[in-house]
Parts: sequence; C-alpha cells; structure tokens
Amino acid sequence: DVKVTQSSRYLVKRTGEKVFLECVQDMDHENMFWYRQDPGLGLRLIYFSYDVKMKEKGDIPEGYSVSREKKERFSLILESASTNQTSMYLCASSPLGVRAWGEKLFFGSGTQLSVL
Amino acid sequence: SQQGEEDPQALSIQEGENATMNCSYKTSINNLQWYRQNSGRGLVHLILIRSNEREKHSGRLRVTLDTSKKSSSLLITASRAADTASYFCATDGPGSGTYKYIFGTGTRLKVLA
Repeated sequence: DVKVTQSSRYLVKRTGEKVFLECVQDMDHENMFWYRQDPGLGLRLIYFSYDVKMKEKGDIPEGYSVSREKKERFSLILESASTNQTSMYLCASSPLGVRAWGEKLFFGSGTQLSVL
Repeated sequence: SQQGEEDPQALSIQEGENATMNCSYKTSINNLQWYRQNSGRGLVHLILIRSNEREKHSGRLRVTLDTSKKSSSLLITASRAADTASYFCATDGPGSGTYKYIFGTGTRLKVLA
C-alpha cells in the first residue's frame, strides 16, 4: 500500500517563526500536493509539484513556499507563521497517469498546526 | 475557488438506511472522485468516475455523474455506524496540462446505531 507520511501530527508554533512541514511518499509518485483544511471551507490547494524542483501555485499560495529536492519528499514552508495559518495541513501524492483518465490521491494523516 | 459543492452539509440517518449526498461543480471536468475522511484524519479515496461514464458501483457505493447538470451523487446503501465520516467530491480543475484537484466543502454523515 502507498504510504504518505507527514512528519508531525500536532505542531504548536509562535507568530513569526519559520515552520517546516515535511511529507514523504514511498511509491515513486510524480505528483505531490499540499492542502489546508478549515471548517466550512473544505480543502484548499496551496501548492503542488509534478516533478523534482517543479512547483505550481494552487489557490492560496500567499504566505507559503515549497521545496521538492527529491522525488519522495515535498516540504511546505511558512516563512513567518501567522495566526491565520492555524489549520489542518494535508499532504497528498498521485502517480502521473493520463490526465484525462484521472488518478486518485493518496493522503497523509495530516498535521494540525496551531500558531499562537 | 470552490469547484465542488456538496449537499447536504450534514446528514444523520439510522443504521441500515441509505445515504445520498450530492456534488455540484462549475466547469467541465475529465473526472470526478469521491473521498472519505474520518474525524481528524487524512482522506481516503473511494471511487473515481470519468466524464464519459454515467454510473459506477463499488461494493455498497453507487456514484452517478450528470455532466449536463454538472452534478454527481454518492449513494451508500445499507449504512453502518462505521460509515460515519465526512465525504468530499473532487474534480480535476478547468484547463489541461495540470493536475489540480479541487475539493468541495464536504458532507458530514452520521450513522446512528
């Protein structure tokens, strides 16, 4: 089975801190994604990557950056954490596939980040 | 931007009953997927339906897709307490050449034993 591992289940940080959220997948997937999930807003795409060192902005990239130096690892970086970034962060991966056919996403368990 | 919107937002039924939830989306799609999320956990893929398909089954799950109405429905038959979770639809967003999957706000299903 595909495994997507997020480094922390719960994280508490202070305003202004630099925060790294790490995600590792073990199935050689090309695509990796970072979403945040907030009550009433569902999942919103922050960034995604379709190859090493490649990235594309999602719907809410402001205040975030990403890094993909190796295929299996996709990091989300909060340069200067703010209280409005308190949220559940979900990482996902999928194989490249044929876009018109669709490929399912495999999700990690999530990181609940609290910024105080 | 929200591509998919689920309806209802919350649903409470008795064990053994059927649960139906709906998803509407705004632009053309190649495929639509349904996911389940247990409280505080990651999402798990349930079923994928392509734009040229109208209905698909997987165990107790039945998904329909009406591209003319830009809507999909997920039916869970003979529900169990273990089906209690949030359910999300996801669509591949407009345009081509990218792999953006856009999720709706979800339906919270509670199955009472």
